[in-house]
Amino acid sequence: DAKTTQPTSMDCAEGRAANLPCNHSTISGNEYVYWYRQIHSQGPQYIIHGLKNNETNEMASLIITEDRKSSTLILPHATLRDTAVYYCILSGAGSYQLTFGKGTKLSVIP
Amino acid sequence: DSGVTQTPKHLITATGQRVTLRCSPRSGDLSVYWYQQSLDQGLQFLIHYYNGEERAKGNILERFSAQQFPDLHSELNLSSLELGDSALYFCASSTGTVNSPLHFGNGTRLTVT
Repeated sequence: DAKTTQPTSMDCAEGRAANLPCNHSTISGNEYVYWYRQIHSQGPQYIIHGLKNNETNEMASLIITEDRKSSTLILPHATLRDTAVYYCILSGAGSYQLTFGKGTKLSVIP
Repeated sequence: DSGVTQTPKHLITATGQRVTLRCSPRSGDLSVYWYQQSLDQGLQFLIHYYNGEERAKGNILERFSAQQFPDLHSELNLSSLELGDSALYFCASSTGTVNSPLHFGNGTRLTVT
């Protein structure tokens, strides 16, 4: 799996949008961008994934740049329960397992 | 609730012992994955099974083994346990189709004393 780069930590005020960036400049054509989060030693939780189009679901939006070298996960109205480590992961057609990096520790502040 | 069930939630055992961790995947999922998370390491992929067959191996020690049964539940066996094996062990499942997301259980916390 290609490598991703994420900031180590970020803060966000409660009720504001949280925008989490991810760089993946060596992404290949068949690799998807996945986002997971892990809330304090619970199992990682799947959030969203996409190939090249922007995606939205009930949890978040995923914006992928046109050149696919970076993406942003948007939590539209962050709550205290969104405090977690967020992982941006690339996964290709030939690889089913996920390789987790260190992720971004998001702290939502009251 | 991801629908993936792991038992037991906590396990405390002594060095040299053997334990079995169990995972029931989400209904309809054919793939099961095992991950290890210790304090000083991130989430490390151990092994992947699809419909009873091993599909991929990651950083799994020879003292560890796994299997997936005909009813699709999976077991991870850890033997000759060492202090360094203390960790959270997560199971995940997916449908097994290309790019289907993984859904994780809440893990088994293993403490080796």
